[in-house]
Amino acid sequence: GDSVTQMEGPVTLSEEAFLTINCTYTATGYPSLFWYVQYPGEGLQLLLKATKADDKGSNKGFEATYRKETTSFHLEKGSVQVSDSAVYFCALSTGGSYIPTFGRGTSLIVHP
Amino acid sequence: DGGITQSPKYLFRKEGQNVTLSCEQNLNHDAMYWYRQDPGQGLRLIYYSQIVNDFQKGDIAEGYSVSREKKESFPLTVTSAQKNPTAFYLCASSMVGASSGYTFGSGTRLTVV
Repeated sequence: GDSVTQMEGPVTLSEEAFLTINCTYTATGYPSLFWYVQYPGEGLQLLLKATKADDKGSNKGFEATYRKETTSFHLEKGSVQVSDSAVYFCALSTGGSYIPTFGRGTSLIVHP
Repeated sequence: DGGITQSPKYLFRKEGQNVTLSCEQNLNHDAMYWYRQDPGQGLRLIYYSQIVNDFQKGDIAEGYSVSREKKESFPLTVTSAQKNPTAFYLCASSMVGASSGYTFGSGTRLTVV
């Protein structure tokens, strides 16, 4: 079946540092890929998505590129802020069921 | 503005009671979903519905029930059969399709007292 693997957290960074959160997947067919963000005590918000190979999703300074050859969708940001502290979830969905498969989430803590 | 509303934000339940969590959306989305989230855990799918008057069990449906009488509404009942109901419950909606992505509500935190 489909699966998503994210790096274990927490990831702890100083403000203005470069962020990478790794995400790899296995899927039958050609999935759409997503990153969601969850701030403390809130629901998830869609951060960005990519629907085909080599697409780059971007939003709020975050980027991720759909790499079919490495089955990866790593999240990056050039300069993190304290307000980026949250849990980040990688997810995929395929045409078979439309029900997304989520990773376990990666907690990001940014210190001033 | 369109969105998805969950209520209440906090809910306390005595052991042996059934409680119902509300989820309403005005996004005209066809599909709605319920997830459970435990501390430090990922999301686990409880039930989902892709069309009115039809719903399917997810991975952890035991002890829960749902209805989908209207497109906008997908309430979740946590029954007394659910042995460990204390958790954060998230409702989501989407258009049916692999590329559409979810819109989530802000969640309901249920505590058994």
